[in-house]
Amino acid sequence: KAGVTQTPRYLIKTRGQQVTLSCSPISGHRSVSWYQQTPGQGLQFLFEYFSETQRNKGNFPGRFSGRQFSNSRSEMNVSTLELGDSALYLCASTVGQGGYNEQFFGPGTRLTVL
Amino acid sequence: QQPVQSPQAVILREGEDAVINCSSSKALYSVHWYRQKHGEAPVFLMILLKGGEQKGHDKISASFNEKKQQSSLYLTASQLSYSGTYFCGTDLLGGYQKVTFGTGTKLQVIP
Repeated sequence: KAGVTQTPRYLIKTRGQQVTLSCSPISGHRSVSWYQQTPGQGLQFLFEYFSETQRNKGNFPGRFSGRQFSNSRSEMNVSTLELGDSALYLCASTVGQGGYNEQFFGPGTRLTVL
Repeated sequence: QQPVQSPQAVILREGEDAVINCSSSKALYSVHWYRQKHGEAPVFLMILLKGGEQKGHDKISASFNEKKQQSSLYLTASQLSYSGTYFCGTDLLGGYQKVTFGTGTKLQVIP
């Protein structure tokens, strides 16, 4: 079974620009969660989608948004980029039936904002 | 609310044991443990559910004290491959997928 894939793997943007990251979950997984990882902050939850609906959201500003398509693929968008948005963005997929499922993480997208 | 992990970092010699603790200020539905090696994605180790059920790794053990909202991960007879950053994640909701992770415990096993 193919794992979770994320594209692109690396991205360099400048302040004020916007960016879209993509995540393809494991086949059959309907839940996709997004995390921001920075040194010292660990993994910070951004949001989770299940069957095209956002079920949970973390404490991030409205500049961070996402969506999920009918094939469970998900995209995350960050508008008006700030220097502090530089981070590794990870997505994880699960079967989605209940809050007790193993998450499978993708390799991440490393975003650098200059 | 982010769970608190301790210690923040630990260095072990091969064969030694370690305990990593995770505590929350809120009642938990489940606790999740992941390990991340440098430059790699986090990998699932274990889930401990309210009520005592456990799912996960057969070579690593953990406990979940529901009354104290604490969990501990026990690494015994450590191997070099145990090196990495260990994250605990807490789920307050049950029935949904929102796991809030701690800042991690960096574990290094040396020969």
